[in-house]
Amino acid sequence: AQTVTQSQPEMSVQEAETVTLSCTYDTSENNYYLFWYKQPPSRQMILVIRQEAYKQQNATENRFSVNFQKAAKSFSLKISDSQLGDTAMYFCAFMSYNNNDMRFGAGTRLTVKP
Amino acid sequence: DGGITQSPKYLFRKEGQNVTLSCEQNLNHDAMYWYRQDPGQGLRLIYYSQIVNDFQKGDIAEGYSVSREKKESFPLTVTSAQKNPTAFYLCASSTGNSHLRYEQYFGPGTRLTVT
Repeated sequence: AQTVTQSQPEMSVQEAETVTLSCTYDTSENNYYLFWYKQPPSRQMILVIRQEAYKQQNATENRFSVNFQKAAKSFSLKISDSQLGDTAMYFCAFMSYNNNDMRFGAGTRLTVKP
Repeated sequence: DGGITQSPKYLFRKEGQNVTLSCEQNLNHDAMYWYRQDPGQGLRLIYYSQIVNDFQKGDIAEGYSVSREKKESFPLTVTSAQKNPTAFYLCASSTGNSHLRYEQYFGPGTRLTVT
C-alpha cells in the first residue's frame, strides 16, 4: 500500500519570506498523481497544486510551486512571498492511476508571522 | 453554484445512538468518498463509491455504513459499534473517469461529538 510521509509537523515563516514543506511517498507504481491540499482554520480542504507523475516539469500555481523528484519519491511544496492567509494545515496526497483511493500525509501546520 | 454540501456542521449524539451524516453534490461526479480526520492525523478513508449502488470499504470502515442510491448523495451512518465516533468527517467527490482521475473536491465537513 502507498504511504505518504510529512516529516515536519509544524513550521513557521515570516510574512513575505519563502518556505518549503516536505513530502515523501512510497509506491511501486509508475503512474500516479500527487497533490497538496490546504486546510485553513475553517477546515475546508482546498486544492493548492497537482502534479502528474509522467510530467517532468514541476507544477506551479502563482506563488506555489513543487519540486517533484520521482526517483527519490519526493514532492515538496514551496510557498513564495508568504502571506498571512497562507496560515493553515497543508496535506500532501497521493493517488494511483489504478484506483480512486487517495492517500494523505499527516499534515504540516504552517504559521505565517507578521 | 456547483459544490458539495454536508449537513449539519455540528452534530451531537448520545453514546449508543446511530447517526447519519449527509453529503450531497451537484458536480455530476461519479465517485464519492468519506474521510475521518482526528487531531494530529491526516485524513483516513472510511468508504468510497465509484458508481451508484456500489461502494467499497476504506481503511477504517468498521462501525460505519453507507448507501449510494443516487449519484448526488452518499450518506454515512455512524453506528453504535464505532468505538470512538467523535471526529471531524469530510465528504469528497471526483470525476472518477478512468482517464481523468483528478483531484477530489471536499465538502465543509461535519464535526460529530458523541457523549
